[in-house]
Amino acid sequence: DQQVKQNSPSLSVQEGRISILNCDYTNSMFDYFLWYKKYPAEGPTFLISISSIKDKNEDGRFTVFLNKSAKHLSLHIVPSQPGDSAVYFCAAYSGGYQKVTFGIGTKLQVIP
Amino acid sequence: DGGITQSPKYLFRKEGQNVTLSCEQNLNHDAMYWYRQDPGQGLRLIYYSQIVNDFQKGDIAEGYSVSREKKESFPLTVTSAQKNPTAFYLCASSIDPRGLDAFGSGTRLTVV
Repeated sequence: DQQVKQNSPSLSVQEGRISILNCDYTNSMFDYFLWYKKYPAEGPTFLISISSIKDKNEDGRFTVFLNKSAKHLSLHIVPSQPGDSAVYFCAAYSGGYQKVTFGIGTKLQVIP
Repeated sequence: DGGITQSPKYLFRKEGQNVTLSCEQNLNHDAMYWYRQDPGQGLRLIYYSQIVNDFQKGDIAEGYSVSREKKESFPLTVTSAQKNPTAFYLCASSIDPRGLDAFGSGTRLTVV
């Protein structure tokens, strides 16, 4: 049972345009959400997070939006750069379970 | 530089043999984690440890064992009981249990 879903396995975006990566979750106990970025043959790196009490968090070119009623979050990257090409994992934390659950990832390709 | 070191990067073992994957961190993080990544799947939690001499099973602990005798070290043993051990293994650590602050670069285990 996949509690964190990333339904788009891949996404291609032109350099300079906006990249929007989507994530849905099913467990209403999740109270903290994170995005990680992963390059091939490397471990993931933390990108940005958002608490369930907020609906938006911004850090430079990266913005995460949370819609609790829809159990949906999205990561916006503006403007997209070729160096952003990587796999992006959505993750969710539940204080009750005390663990982080990951989606399967979305591979972003930014075309120069 | 602080970080997580996983060794070796690539590991080959014969079926039926136990193998231990190393994970060392110098970040002074209390919590450490082991994840497994398979193609088309997200990161799945194997074991985690919030403090020295204590650890808990994750979602897919069967066939694995861990120890946490030192804060810096969290080795993972893949036993012969693990039915599908070939995978990419990632070690992580964190200060805040709501997220994973750092990942190692991973060990790719191939069992032949």
